[in-house]
Amino acid sequence: TQLLEQSPQFLSIQEGENLTVYCNSSSVFSSLQWYRQEPGEGPVLLVTVVTGGEVKKLKRLTFQFGDARKDSSLHITAAQPGDTGLYLCAGVMNTGFQKLVFGTGTRLLVSP
Amino acid sequence: KAGVTQTPRYLIKTRGQQVTLSCSPISGHRSVSWYQQTPGQGLQFLFEYFSETQRNKGNFPGRFSGRQFSNSRSEMNVSTLELGDSALYLCASSSQGVDTEAFFGQGTRLTVV
Repeated sequence: TQLLEQSPQFLSIQEGENLTVYCNSSSVFSSLQWYRQEPGEGPVLLVTVVTGGEVKKLKRLTFQFGDARKDSSLHITAAQPGDTGLYLCAGVMNTGFQKLVFGTGTRLLVSP
Repeated sequence: KAGVTQTPRYLIKTRGQQVTLSCSPISGHRSVSWYQQTPGQGLQFLFEYFSETQRNKGNFPGRFSGRQFSNSRSEMNVSTLELGDSALYLCASSSQGVDTEAFFGQGTRLTVV
């Protein structure tokens, strides 16, 4: 059972378009992280959101943590080919010990 | 500062064999986590070591084991390999644990034939 579902699974868009990736769960997370992974590489952390309702901006990327800390979204404005990659959300759960649970992933392709 | 180093990068093994993968974390980081990544299941947590102790464990069979040395380097062992163990194995290092920034290595691509 996948605790964190991401949608869409795949996204192919043209340069300059906007997009939103969703990360949903029925579980509550103490914090949520977003990573980007390129082929042949490990995931690289983009941002961590901690507070319910928190919004963080990283240049053209906007991250939001849901009020109930169960979901998150990543919005990219004016996508560029360099944004191509696998986007992963990961929630930190506290179940006696801390555990990082990764989402199913969204593969983004931005064409020139 | 050197990043996370995983060796080897690629491995081909036969069913029934065993394999040992190595991870050298960033200097000063005491937490090392291991993950299995496959196209069907995504990134699945295997276990976390902190100061030579296994602190966290995912839902994998006992064939998957690990250890951490006093210098924080970690090894992961898989015994009696199965075809389904073919995957990219990633290790992540962090200073304190999963809620602090994790730095991933490039992974070891294991193919079981």
